Amino acid sequence: AQSVAQPEDQVNVAEGNPLTVKCTYSVSGNPYLFWYVQYPNRGLQFLLKYITGDNLVKGSYGFEAEFNKSQTSFHLKKPSALVSDSALYFCAVRDGRGNFNKFYFGSGTKLNVKP
Amino acid sequence: SQTIHQWPATLVQPVGSPLSLECTVEGTSNPNLYWYRQAAGRGLQLLFYSVGIGQISSEVPQNLSASRPQDRQFILSSKKLLLSDSGFYLCAGTQGRNEQFFGPGTRLTVL
Repeated sequence: AQSVAQPEDQVNVAEGNPLTVKCTYSVSGNPYLFWYVQYPNRGLQFLLKYITGDNLVKGSYGFEAEFNKSQTSFHLKKPSALVSDSALYFCAVRDGRGNFNKFYFGSGTKLNVKP
Repeated sequence: SQTIHQWPATLVQPVGSPLSLECTVEGTSNPNLYWYRQAAGRGLQLLFYSVGIGQISSEVPQNLSASRPQDRQFILSSKKLLLSDSGFYLCAGTQGRNEQFFGPGTRLTVL
């Protein structure tokens, strides 16, 4: 069955430190992987995606993510966190073999960046 | 670029009243469209999706329904709201292999 896991409900990091938000997935075919950010009472904003090619993907606002097929992971990273990065982050996957119309979302990770 | 419009932004409705939330899309044609509900600022629950006019797939049996009368219009409805229908409703679209793009959401409170 297709699924996405974000094992951490919350991640706390000091401003200027590197941050990682974890995501693992399970699909039957090739995964199409996405990261989104949500600020309070707003819709989700797209950050980056992996479909094929280089395993390291760079996206908006200095974020990047690494696709690891053997570990079925797609962790979100940023070298130096900003207070303005504090938000709710969602990982999502589409199954390249299954119902391609559906997106499967993780439960979200709240990122707190402290000054 | 693609844009999704949702209205209203906030809505307070009594239990048992009807509901109609509208979503319209600009900047693309033949998109897949989706309705999600988000409770308490956490995970997204897929309610319905549509791959074309008049084509609706329901993910969760409940007292909500969806319709797609035009290519760029997606409507979420209920005949009688329940307290448990409260939440943040998000409309999203996608085309091809691309990511989903989301609307600003509607905050529904059922009293």
